[in-house]
Amino acid sequence: AQSVAQPEDQVNVAEGNPLTVKCTYSVSGNPYLFWYVQYPNRGLQFLLKYITGDNLVKGSYGFEAEFNKSQTSFHLKKPSALVSDSALYFCAVRPGGATNKLIFGTGTLLAVQP
Amino acid sequence: DVKVTQSSRYLVKRTGEKVFLECVQDMDHENMFWYRQDPGLGLRLIYFSYDVKMKEKGDIPEGYSVSREKKERFSLILESASTNQTSMYLCAISPGQGRSEAFFGQGTRLTVV
Repeated sequence: AQSVAQPEDQVNVAEGNPLTVKCTYSVSGNPYLFWYVQYPNRGLQFLLKYITGDNLVKGSYGFEAEFNKSQTSFHLKKPSALVSDSALYFCAVRPGGATNKLIFGTGTLLAVQP
Repeated sequence: DVKVTQSSRYLVKRTGEKVFLECVQDMDHENMFWYRQDPGLGLRLIYFSYDVKMKEKGDIPEGYSVSREKKERFSLILESASTNQTSMYLCAISPGQGRSEAFFGQGTRLTVV
């Protein structure tokens, strides 16, 4: 079965410290990978994506993510966390092939302490 | 700016009622999706549509149906609402090309009492 795993329900980090939110996937073919963020009572906002090429992709608000094909991972990172980064983060995968189906992980709540 | 508009932010319905959730886009994108979001379960795909009158079941289609009569509008229908359908419902759109990101509406929080 095709799936996306976010192993941490919550990540706590102090403001100014680096943060990592983990994501691994299990899909067929060469997938497209995405990160989204959700603020309270809002829809999801796109952060960044990996399609092909450089394994390190940069996105909005200073976030970046590293694609690792051998580990089937796509971890989200930021060098210096802000309190305003506190939100719910979702990893998503579009499997290779003809489908446009988008599969989401269960989400990770990022809490940045002042 | 991409606009994905869901007809209601909050809805309260009674058990057994037929419920319609509407989603309208202004981007002429081929793909439209309905997800439900529940704590600890993430986003689960209910149905998606890749063209007018075309639909595919997602992971949890039971108790739901959909309609796409026009390209810009995708409706989710709860035939007979039940309390276990209380949830946040999110509509999303994406272009036909698979490498593009999806855009989401603000969500409809549905409570079935």
